[in-house]
Amino acid sequence: QLQLQESGSGLVKPSQTLSLTCAVSGGSISSGGYSWSWIRQPPGKGLEWIGYIYHSGSTYYNPSLKSRVTISVDRSKNQFSLKLSSVTAADTAVYYCARGTVASFQHWGQGTLVTVSS
Amino acid sequence: QSVLTQPPSVSAAPGQKVTISCSGSSSNIGNNYVSWYQQLPGTAPKLLIYDNNKRPSGIPDRFSGSKSGTSATLGITGLQTGDEADYYCGTWDSSLSVLFGGGTKLTVL
Repeated sequence: QLQLQESGSGLVKPSQTLSLTCAVSGGSISSGGYSWSWIRQPPGKGLEWIGYIYHSGSTYYNPSLKSRVTISVDRSKNQFSLKLSSVTAADTAVYYCARGTVASFQHWGQGTLVTVSS
Repeated sequence: QSVLTQPPSVSAAPGQKVTISCSGSSSNIGNNYVSWYQQLPGTAPKLLIYDNNKRPSGIPDRFSGSKSGTSATLGITGLQTGDEADYYCGTWDSSLSVLFGGGTKLTVL
C-alpha cells in the first residue's frame, strides 16, 4: 500500500523559502509512469496544483508559481521535495503531496498546514 | 476564478441522484481526460473518477463520470449522508499545467 507523508516547517516568515519533503513508502519513487506532485489548498478555498516531477526528472510547474518553485527528487531516500521562495501570506495553505499520472492523482498524503507569518 | 467552472453547491435528498458539472474549453477538457475528487471535511482529496469515466478500485459504481465536448459531469446515485463533501474536477491544460475546478459542496438534505 503506497503511503505518502509530508514534513517540513509549519511556520515560515514572509520573504523566506518554504521547504517541504514527501516521504514515500510502500513503493519506489523511481517507478516509471508516475508523476510526483505538490498541490495546495488555502484555508476554506479550492485546490491549486503547484507542480510535479516525473521519474525521469522532468518537471512541470504551475505557470503562476513557476518563478518561485523547485521540485526535486532524492532517490536514495525515496522522497521528493518542494521549495517555494519569496513567500507571502497568500502562500498560507495546506500542502499535499500526491502520486498520479498526467492529471489524475490517486495517492495523497494527509497534508501539512504551512502558515506564512512574521 | 477557476478556469474550470463548477456550481458552488448542489443538494439532494438521501437515495436520490445528483450531478455536478465542470465546464472548460478546448484548451483543457475538450482535449484531455478529466478526473474527479471527493474531499470530506478535514481530509485529503480522494480520487473518484479518472480518464473521464473510470473508477479506481474500491470506488462504488454509484459514482460515474462522463464527458461531452468541453464539459464533464460527475453523477452520484443512491445518495447517502456520508457523501456530503466537496467535489473537484481536474484536467490537463495546454498551458502545461493541471487545472482544478473551484469545487462543489454537496449537501444531502
